[in-house]
Amino acid sequence: AQKITQTQPGMFVQEKEAVTLDCTYDTSDQSYGLFWYKQPSSGEMIFLIYQGSYDEQNATEGRYSLNFQKARKSANLVISASQLGDSAMYFCAMRSIIQGAQKLVFGQGTRLTINP
Amino acid sequence: DTGVSQDPRHKITKRGQNVTFRCDPISEHNRLYWYRQTLGQGPEFLTYFQNEAQLEKSRLLSDRFSAERPKGSFSTLEIQRTEQGDSAMYLCASSFMGKSYNEQFFGPGTRLTVL
Repeated sequence: AQKITQTQPGMFVQEKEAVTLDCTYDTSDQSYGLFWYKQPSSGEMIFLIYQGSYDEQNATEGRYSLNFQKARKSANLVISASQLGDSAMYFCAMRSIIQGAQKLVFGQGTRLTINP
Repeated sequence: DTGVSQDPRHKITKRGQNVTFRCDPISEHNRLYWYRQTLGQGPEFLTYFQNEAQLEKSRLLSDRFSAERPKGSFSTLEIQRTEQGDSAMYLCASSFMGKSYNEQFFGPGTRLTVL
């Protein structure tokens, strides 16, 4: 079974600072993908970044980067130069990459608050 | 807007009533997913379709729940004899088979309140 653990229920950061959101995972699969989604108060899940288990380089998308440490089974999200609009819930998720396996397994999320 | 749409956005019902939600995926997406999200938790997978075929169902999907995607386009999720424990946000997502990591695009959700 797959499991995602996000140990930070809430994070408070000053605007323009960098922030790291923690994510650890557990799986027996050799091939898997890791995702981060943002959920503002409006409720819609917004895809941020993806990391494949065989990707040798850490994924980056604009101000988002993923610190992937496979041996530690961690996939932390780093947001650089935080903005007020970054305040939201952030979810880490994983999916097995085997034929027929499509569901995402999500963690409990971290509520990020950016202070001006 | 060509994103995933869901209708209604909010539904309040009395215990024991039946409710039906609709999801319209992004037009070229052949995979469609339903998730349920309760307060303070991450979304939990319910079921998924590839075209019109329902390929996976979670054990969370009790006999009172049924989902369809009759023509491989929009999907409906029906809950019969609603219970207070069904109160949650129901999220629909879609993806395109063939894209390297099969990113799922989510709709705004339907928030169900069972009184």
